[in-house]
Amino acid sequence: DAGVIQSPRHEVTEMGQEVTLRCKPISGHDYLFWYRQTMMRGLELLIYFNNNVPIDDSGMPEDRFSAKMPNASFSTLKIQPSEPRDSAVYFCASRLGRGLALNSYNEQFFGPGTRLTVL
Amino acid sequence: RKEVEQDPGPFNVPEGATVAFNCTYSNSASQSFFWYRQDCRKEPKLLMSVYSSGNEDGRFTAQLNRASQYISLLIRDSKLSDSATYLCVVNAGGYQKVTFGIGTKLQVIP
Repeated sequence: DAGVIQSPRHEVTEMGQEVTLRCKPISGHDYLFWYRQTMMRGLELLIYFNNNVPIDDSGMPEDRFSAKMPNASFSTLKIQPSEPRDSAVYFCASRLGRGLALNSYNEQFFGPGTRLTVL
Repeated sequence: RKEVEQDPGPFNVPEGATVAFNCTYSNSASQSFFWYRQDCRKEPKLLMSVYSSGNEDGRFTAQLNRASQYISLLIRDSKLSDSATYLCVVNAGGYQKVTFGIGTKLQVIP
């Protein structure tokens, strides 16, 4: 298995531009998570999906951020317009939840991340 | 109070030393606990789950103390390759998401 795939790996853009990050989860995984990591705040959950449906987007910082999952093998995180404070590493992760008991929790597998710099 | 708190370090230890990290969590309903390892400029990867009875994997031992709401990670005979950031991860029972601590940076020195 190729693991979680993210693109691009690096993105440098100017303030005000639209940024789209892409993720392909591991085949068969029914949960997908988007995280943002900074030195100051660590790894923060932005949003997660179950079976392509957004379940919890309470971590999305503001309306400039949006995420979609049109099918089981693809998700996007969009920032429009981007701001310098959005500079961070954005990780996508997936895991298998199907068939587990409610209080069971499987390992999350992370993609390599997208390093975003907004000038 | 943060949901998951860790000392960010860095912990600088000589090769062969034993080092321990603690992590406290605020939600007493938390059911699942993990340690992840993150190498510099890489993604986090699962190191080990933490079970109620404690568990060991080679040089690594994880413990859970529910009464005091903390988990610990003990690394014996530290190797240079153990240098990384160790992330404490906790999920609240019944919820399908987890909370990551900010991570503790370990640097093993020759």
